[in-house]
Amino acid sequence: SQTIHQWPATLVQPVGSPLSLECTVEGTSNPNLYWYRQAAGRGLQLLFYSVGIGQISSEVPQNLSASRPQDRQFILSSKKLLLSDSGFYLCAWSEIRELFFGEGSRLTVL
Amino acid sequence: AQSVTQLDSHVSVSEGTPVLLRCNYSSSYSPSLFWYVQHPNKGLQLLLKYTSAATLVKGINGFEAEFKKSETSFHLTKPSAHMSDAAEYFCVVSFNFGNEKLTFGTGTRLTIIP
Repeated sequence: SQTIHQWPATLVQPVGSPLSLECTVEGTSNPNLYWYRQAAGRGLQLLFYSVGIGQISSEVPQNLSASRPQDRQFILSSKKLLLSDSGFYLCAWSEIRELFFGEGSRLTVL
Repeated sequence: AQSVTQLDSHVSVSEGTPVLLRCNYSSSYSPSLFWYVQHPNKGLQLLLKYTSAATLVKGINGFEAEFKKSETSFHLTKPSAHMSDAAEYFCVVSFNFGNEKLTFGTGTRLTIIP
């Protein structure tokens, strides 16, 4: 069966520091992969999605970037974090119009 | 453009009473519709989905939803609430096949009163 792993689960970072959140999927090949951000009271916002290695689409201009170095690995990064980057970040993969989510990463920028 | 509106940001019901979480969408095309549930500090879990088959969709944990095209609605219901149903619920719409670009509602927090 397919599983999705996301880490770290919790992160507290100072403003201006770098960020790396990692997501891996097991049990499937060539999945579509997604990064979402959930801000308090605002639902989920799609940040990036990828249909294959090295193929990244960005949905909103922002301080973040994404990379897909391997088929089942999706990384969310920032060179310098802003206070507004705080939130709950969710990685997901999709199959037949259904999204499967990781457990999320809570990022607090101080 | 596609959009989805969850009409209530917070719903409180007593344990054992019915649950109704409301969702309306706007679309020029036939959508796929989903309800996801999120417990605190957890990822999202699919409750049920509508993809142009039967309009009454049954999901996990006793939840069901009915697609009403004339009302552009996809309300989530459960006959009898349980304490474990307390969570955040998201209505989601998709119009794109292939990259699954979903649009999420802002969520409804369900509180169960003992």
